[in-house]
Amino acid sequence: GAVVSQHPSRVICKSGTSVKIECRSLDFQATTMFWYRQFPKQSLMLMATSNEGSKATYEQGVEKDKFLINHASLTLSTLTVTSAHPEDSSFYICSASRARENGYTFGSGTRLTVV
Amino acid sequence: KQEVTQIPAALSVPEGENLVLNCSFTDSAIYNLQWFRQDPGKGLTSLLLIQSSQREQTSGRLNASLDKSSGRSTLYIAASQPGDSATYLCAPRGGTSYGKLTFGQGTILTVHP
Repeated sequence: GAVVSQHPSRVICKSGTSVKIECRSLDFQATTMFWYRQFPKQSLMLMATSNEGSKATYEQGVEKDKFLINHASLTLSTLTVTSAHPEDSSFYICSASRARENGYTFGSGTRLTVV
Repeated sequence: KQEVTQIPAALSVPEGENLVLNCSFTDSAIYNLQWFRQDPGKGLTSLLLIQSSQREQTSGRLNASLDKSSGRSTLYIAASQPGDSATYLCAPRGGTSYGKLTFGQGTILTVHP
């Protein structure tokens, strides 16, 4: 089946630093990947659509300069949280789909804590 | 804009009961619908995928039905077990080429031994 790998699973960083999260499709190519954010006891909120070879599409209210997305290959998308602040602490999850008729597969998520 | 509602928000039952989790969505122009399970602090595990042309899908003790025209899906869990305790999320996929998933708030299920 389709496998999506996400790293790191957990990261603690100091306020003001940047953190990069990787999302890889291991056994299929993904021209499109999605990045979500989840606050405690809340559902997933779509942040942006990552498009291979082109700019990401951000959802309303998501700061594109803070959450930089790069999708440089058909198997890798990265999310960089720039100048992180404590309010950026959250659970970040990526997803991808092998094909339209297939369902989406999610990564295992990244718990970001900014101190 | 697609909106998804899941009822009940939380459910606590003794082991062995058969369960019904409900999902409704406002835009019936979907390509398919997935049911996911999320354990605390973990990612999402896909349980069932129903294409828009299908009425139901089954996997083991799980059965999901879809009534696209009325914007409803139901997840049945037979003979519930403590290991079924998790948050269950339904997510219809938009009808475009790379249709987005829209999530409801989920149903938090607790199955007591």
